[in-house]
Amino acid sequence: GESVGLHLPTLSVQEGDNSIINCAYSNSASDYFIWYKQESGKGPQFIIDIRSNMDKRQGQRVTVLLNKTVKHLSLQIAATQPGDSAVYFCADQGAQKLVFGQGTRLTINP
Amino acid sequence: NAGVTQTPKFQVLKTGQSMTLQCAQDMNHEYMSWYRQDPGMGLRLIHYSVGAGITDQGEVPNGYNVSRSTTEDFPLRLLSAAPSQTSVYFCASSYSWPTARSSYNSPLHFGNGTRLTVT
Repeated sequence: GESVGLHLPTLSVQEGDNSIINCAYSNSASDYFIWYKQESGKGPQFIIDIRSNMDKRQGQRVTVLLNKTVKHLSLQIAATQPGDSAVYFCADQGAQKLVFGQGTRLTINP
Repeated sequence: NAGVTQTPKFQVLKTGQSMTLQCAQDMNHEYMSWYRQDPGMGLRLIHYSVGAGITDQGEVPNGYNVSRSTTEDFPLRLLSAAPSQTSVYFCASSYSWPTARSSYNSPLHFGNGTRLTVT
């Protein structure tokens, strides 16, 4: 069946550095992806999305890159801040079902 | 804006007890769903609904019932709690949903979860 996996379960970065969180998906027909952020004790929160007719999308301090050739997407967070500490999920919201990755925990070192 | 509201936040049950987890949204979303989140397993879909009066099973439906009598509310019922149902439960809603012919093209809005422990 379809799967979505993150490359690293944890990522530790220095405050002010850029963070890159990677995700791979298996369904070549998938055409809509979303990144969610989950802080401790809260539900996942929408960060940014991208459709398969794009290879890059930018938000405020965040950029999502989509490489359909290798079925890979990444989330880049610029100038990482303490408030960015959370678990980040990618989700394949393609036809018929949703598939979530297991999450990468981002820790910020002061 | 309340968004998606879940109650209770915490619950402890004994094996065999039943209970209902409440979920309400005020965004007039047609699609609502329940997920459970377990360590190392990510988010798994339990049941979902694409409108009042319509429900369907997700990936892990056994031991749970749902109903959708109004657009706003989507309660999840545990019929006879088991320790394997110890988890964090999230309700989520969305403006649209995936079908066989079209992809899901709007993000989910999640509640803050109910942490359930079954002893």
